Amino acid sequence: KAGVTQTPRYLIKTRGQQVTLSCSPISGHRSVSWYQQTPGQGLQFLFEYFSETQRNKGNFPGRFSGRQFSNSRSEMNVSTLELGDSALYLCASSHRGGLAGDEQYFGPGTRLTVT
Amino acid sequence: AQKVTQAQTEISVVEKEDVTLDCVYETRDTTYYLFWYKQPPSGELVFLIRRNSFDEQNEISGRYSWNFQKSTSSFNFTITASQVVDSAVYFCALSEARGGTASKLTFGTGTRLQVTL
Repeated sequence: KAGVTQTPRYLIKTRGQQVTLSCSPISGHRSVSWYQQTPGQGLQFLFEYFSETQRNKGNFPGRFSGRQFSNSRSEMNVSTLELGDSALYLCASSHRGGLAGDEQYFGPGTRLTVT
Repeated sequence: AQKVTQAQTEISVVEKEDVTLDCVYETRDTTYYLFWYKQPPSGELVFLIRRNSFDEQNEISGRYSWNFQKSTSSFNFTITASQVVDSAVYFCALSEARGGTASKLTFGTGTRLQVTL
């Protein structure tokens, strides 16, 4: 089976712009979660989607949003980018997600740099 | 609130040495899950193991072994006969089952393991 894929792998944006990141889960996985990794804050949970519905949300401002499509692919969007949004954004998929603590499989990440 | 502590920021060992990575967790839930992930320089988090709170049996997988002790809230990871390819950052993570939030992983700060020849 193909692993989790994320596009693009690298992105450079300017403050104030918005960005959309994409994640394709492992085939058959219905849960997609997003995490932000920074040197200062470490790995932090952004949100989880399951069957096109946001099921869990971390403590991030409303500028961070996401959605999931019927084929389980997910996108996350960050509006009005700030310098502090520079990070590695990781997507993870699991079969059932929040129902049973399934292991989550991560993609390679999208490295976002905001200048 | 749940919390994971990895007190060891960085460990350096010589190849073939055994090394133990410590993980201490805090949770008020009785049902929870513990994980270890490896992050090589490429950046992708690689799943190593999952344990639920009702299964305290230790596990061995090749050169890897895990020691789960609820009495001390610890879930330590040992690599036997370390190899250069084990060099990576290792993360311990916790998720709670309450309210269907088991998908939300709380990570420790990670331990960077450097294995040299």
